[in-house]
Amino acid sequence: DQQVKQNSPSLSVQEGRISILNCDYTNSMFDYFLWYKKYPAEGPTFLISISSIKDKNEDGRFTVLNKSAKHLSLHIVPSQPGDSAVYFCAASGATDDMRFGAGTRLTVKP
Amino acid sequence: EADIYQTPRYLVIGTGKKITLECSQTMGHDKMYWYQQDPGMELHLIHYSYGVNSTEKGDLSSESTVSRIRTEHFPLTLESARPSHTSQYLCASSFGLEDYGYTFGSGTRLTVV
Repeated sequence: DQQVKQNSPSLSVQEGRISILNCDYTNSMFDYFLWYKKYPAEGPTFLISISSIKDKNEDGRFTVLNKSAKHLSLHIVPSQPGDSAVYFCAASGATDDMRFGAGTRLTVKP
Repeated sequence: EADIYQTPRYLVIGTGKKITLECSQTMGHDKMYWYQQDPGMELHLIHYSYGVNSTEKGDLSSESTVSRIRTEHFPLTLESARPSHTSQYLCASSFGLEDYGYTFGSGTRLTVV
């Protein structure tokens, strides 16, 4: 039972444009959402997070939006070639075990 | 600079062998986790620990065991490796503060032949 879903396995954007990565979740008990970035042969690294009571969190070029029911998105503006990686959406709740999506592979073309 | 270390990075082993994947962290984190991930798939939680002498099972724990004798060390053991265990294994740790997420190691790529 996949509780966190990233329905786009891949996304390709031009350098300088906006990248929008989407994430849906099914468990209404999740109260914290996180995005991780993963390069090949490395472990995921924490990127940005948002609690369920907030609708927006910004950190430089990265913004996570939580404005739709059981849906959140990560915006990267402007996109850079170094942003090319796999991005994982994750969610946690009271049970403290974090659930991850399957990831979206972002390619930013120069 | 890595504060959580996994060894080995790559391992090829025969069916039926016993293997232990090592994970150590220097951040003093109480909580540690093991995840299994196949390409294009989500991370599956195998085991986690809230601190010394605490271990809990995740979704895929039935064929492996863990121990937490020291805060910094959280090894994962497969008693009898099978080809179905071929995967990437990721260790992570955290203070338990949701703002900061987990710190992951670089992973162990295991191949069972």
